[in-house]
Amino acid sequence: GENVEQHPSTLSVQEGDSAVIKCTYSDSASNYFPWYKQELGKRPQLIIDIRSNVGEKKDQRIAVTLNKTAKHFSLHITETQPEDSAVYFCAASMYSGGGADGLTFGKGTHLIIQP
Amino acid sequence: DAMVIQNPRYQVTQFGKPVTLSCSQTLNHNVMYWYQQKSSQAPKLLFHYYDKDFNNEADTPDNFQSRRPNTSFCFLDIRSPGLGDAAMYLCATSTEGLGRGHEQYFGPGTRLTVT
Repeated sequence: GENVEQHPSTLSVQEGDSAVIKCTYSDSASNYFPWYKQELGKRPQLIIDIRSNVGEKKDQRIAVTLNKTAKHFSLHITETQPEDSAVYFCAASMYSGGGADGLTFGKGTHLIIQP
Repeated sequence: DAMVIQNPRYQVTQFGKPVTLSCSQTLNHNVMYWYQQKSSQAPKLLFHYYDKDFNNEADTPDNFQSRRPNTSFCFLDIRSPGLGDAAMYLCATSTEGLGRGHEQYFGPGTRLTVT
């Protein structure tokens, strides 16, 4: 099955600086890569996703890049704000044809924005 | 926002006493998923339904079962809960397979405590 590695496990940045979280995946057939933000006690919320036919996607202060050859993808948050503090999960999914596959998650990154 | 509903939000059960968690959706989505998220860990896929077709992850314990009587409802049954089954259980849905251009919507979760 798919294996997703995520680094770093904890990231502390000054407010206003950029944050980068990196993930690698093992299955070259994976074709969908979402990022989720989870605040304490709440459900994971999708913040951005990318599909294997795209190299980069941006939504305001958030961007994701995908390198299919190297099998890695990254989340970039610019101009960080206190409300960006949360745990961020990357994930990968592969459509198997007969039905639908769920997500394999990375272990998460605890992002801390220092005022 | 009540598109994926989970009941109850908090469940306390005794060691070895069967428990059922409920998920319902108003989205008419074909796919429903159950994830287990233990404290400070990533969500882990237990199983999913594509319509009536059940897909069990290879490492999901036999203690966990699921039922989907109709499109709207899906249940997670834990036959003999152990202390290690204490976790947040997240239900999610998607229209079709994630790799086919559809995103996943999480419910608010049920926090299970085993005493």
